[in-house]
Amino acid sequence: AQTVTQSQPEMSVQEAETVTLSCTYDTSESDYYLFWYKQPPSRQMILVIRQEAYKQQNATENRFSVNFQKAAKSFSLKISDSQLGDAAMYFCAYRSANTGNQFYFGTGTSLTVIP
Amino acid sequence: ETGVTQSPTHLIKTRGQQVTLRCSSQSGHNTVSWYQQALGQGPQFIFQYYREEENGRGNFPPRFSGLQFPNYSSELNVNALELDDSALYLCASSPRTGYQETQYFGPGTRLLVL
Repeated sequence: AQTVTQSQPEMSVQEAETVTLSCTYDTSESDYYLFWYKQPPSRQMILVIRQEAYKQQNATENRFSVNFQKAAKSFSLKISDSQLGDAAMYFCAYRSANTGNQFYFGTGTSLTVIP
Repeated sequence: ETGVTQSPTHLIKTRGQQVTLRCSSQSGHNTVSWYQQALGQGPQFIFQYYREEENGRGNFPPRFSGLQFPNYSSELNVNALELDDSALYLCASSPRTGYQETQYFGPGTRLLVL
């Protein structure tokens, strides 16, 4: 089974600053999808950004962008101009493009935004 | 557009009991997946339903079972509850089955087994 590792249990950032959350994954597949989800204290998981492995260009969604390094199996999330509403648990997730229907999630990174 | 909803929000049961959790998928979505999220952990895949049939299962025992109805809503049933079943149970829907599909999550049901 694929594994997803988030090595930073907790991170903090000053409001308006930039923070990068790390994620690595282990897979023997060449085609897959990667996701970052945000889970605020209200618990509802919200999709932040998605990356297709076959695309070399890094995905960007407003203040959120990723650094996808396929050879290194690394998928980090950069949050620019951090806002108080960005405080949440962030989960990295992997989904195969060929087998199975499940998402594999990391253990999450808790992000605190300091005013 | 209505998002994914789940009921109840909280539930307390005792060991050995049975529980049923419910999920209504987002409008237009025909695929529902269930996840268990233990405290401090990421979600773990339980199973997925598509067209009222189980369409993939994670490493969970048979006492975890499910249903999907013609309107695409779904139930998760857990028999013979154990203390380790205490967790947040998340339902996620997607527009169709397929590896390219993003899943959209509901707010979850918090189950406590005493």
